Order: sequence, then structure tokens, then C-alpha cells
Amino acid sequence: EIVLTQSPGTLSLSPGERATLSCRASQSVSRNLLTWYQQKPGQAPRVVIYGASSRATGIPDRFSGSGSGTDFTLTISRLEPEDFAVYYCQQFGSTPRTFGGGTKVEFK
Amino acid sequence: QVHLVQSGAEVKKPGASVKVSCKASGYTFTSYYVHWVRQAPGQGLEWMGMINPTGGSTTYLQKFQGRVTMTRDASTSTLFLDLTSLKSEDTAVYYCARERIVGGTLDYWGQGTLVTVSS
Repeated sequence: EIVLTQSPGTLSLSPGERATLSCRASQSVSRNLLTWYQQKPGQAPRVVIYGASSRATGIPDRFSGSGSGTDFTLTISRLEPEDFAVYYCQQFGSTPRTFGGGTKVEFK
Repeated sequence: QVHLVQSGAEVKKPGASVKVSCKASGYTFTSYYVHWVRQAPGQGLEWMGMINPTGGSTTYLQKFQGRVTMTRDASTSTLFLDLTSLKSEDTAVYYCARERIVGGTLDYWGQGTLVTVSS
């Protein structure tokens, strides 16, 4: 089973700042099949990035994903108020399709 | 337009079973795997397993083996999650989600079903 470790647990930032979220895998994620989701309170998760670096439909270009193998990064270039949420990574390279523990991006 | 509509909230006693449904519409039911994910209050996401609606084959997270069954009814485009021998730790929101064919991601999610296990 691939264990995904997300860091930091909480990121305290202000609107307009840059957010850098990390997702580290215990073993290489096959074909870099790594997805990032955004979740707001009371809502289901929403895909932000899939395949490590492809933006999902409707996701603004301030969101970008990078990385390969075991190290992946989600970057939000300039935070907008609606970006404050919890972000999870999930791998689809092998079964079980594990999730990371999440990073909360909160208002500073 | 793709929709996954789940059944309503449930309250169960420890030791009981629960069956959550997820009705799919807006796409070819048999063309996409469906996954079940749960989220305990204030906690992260936990992948439970997935089902291939074409033949009904399933893959479960080992911790749920023997307690979980995922099935589907192709005639009504509905997926089901059965969880038995409920414990208080099973209190969570349960989501169904469709797997995108290319790229490996869960692109559409149900609204979630809260299952509360309490004596």
C-alpha cells in the first residue's frame, strides 16, 4: 500500500500570497497518477489537478501541479478568498487508491 | 449532465448494518468504475473500495474485507454500499464517486450520506 504524506498540515496565508503544498509517496506512483482535490466544509471534494499536472475543467490557471515518482507539489500562485480550503492528494497508480491526510489552507 | 445522487442520512445501532445507494445519471453507467470514500467527522478522506459496473467485480480496502459489499443494479443505474457489524468508528459521511476513464481521478461525486452509529 502506498502511503501519502502531506505537508504542512496547516498553511496560514493571506490572500494574494503563494501556497505550496507537498504530497510525498512511500513508493513511486505509477505513471504519475496523482490527483489533488479541494474540499470546503459541507461539500464533496472537487478535482483540482489530475495526472500530477493537468488542471481539471474550470480550474483557474493560478493552480498548478508538478512532480513525479514520489514527490508532488500543488502550487496556488496567488490565493483568492475562495481558495481557502482543505486539499487532499490521492494516488491511482496502485490499489488501494490511498489518500493523503490533507493540508488545510487557512486565513492568516 | 452527470449526477450521482445518494440516499439519505441513516442512524444505526452498533452491530447493525447499513445500505447506502448512489443513483447515477447523465452518462453510460457501465463505462466508468465507481469508488466509495468515507470521511469521519473532522477527519480526512478514506478510500473504501471500488466496483466495475460492467461485471460487478470489486476491490476492497483490506480493513473492510468481510464487512463491506459493493454491488450495482445496471437496470436502474444504481450502486450500493453495504456495511455490516457497525461500530461507532464507522460514523462518517459516505461518498460515491465516478472514476474518470483517462487520467485516474474521481471526477464526479455524490452529495454524501451521513451514517451515524450510536447506541
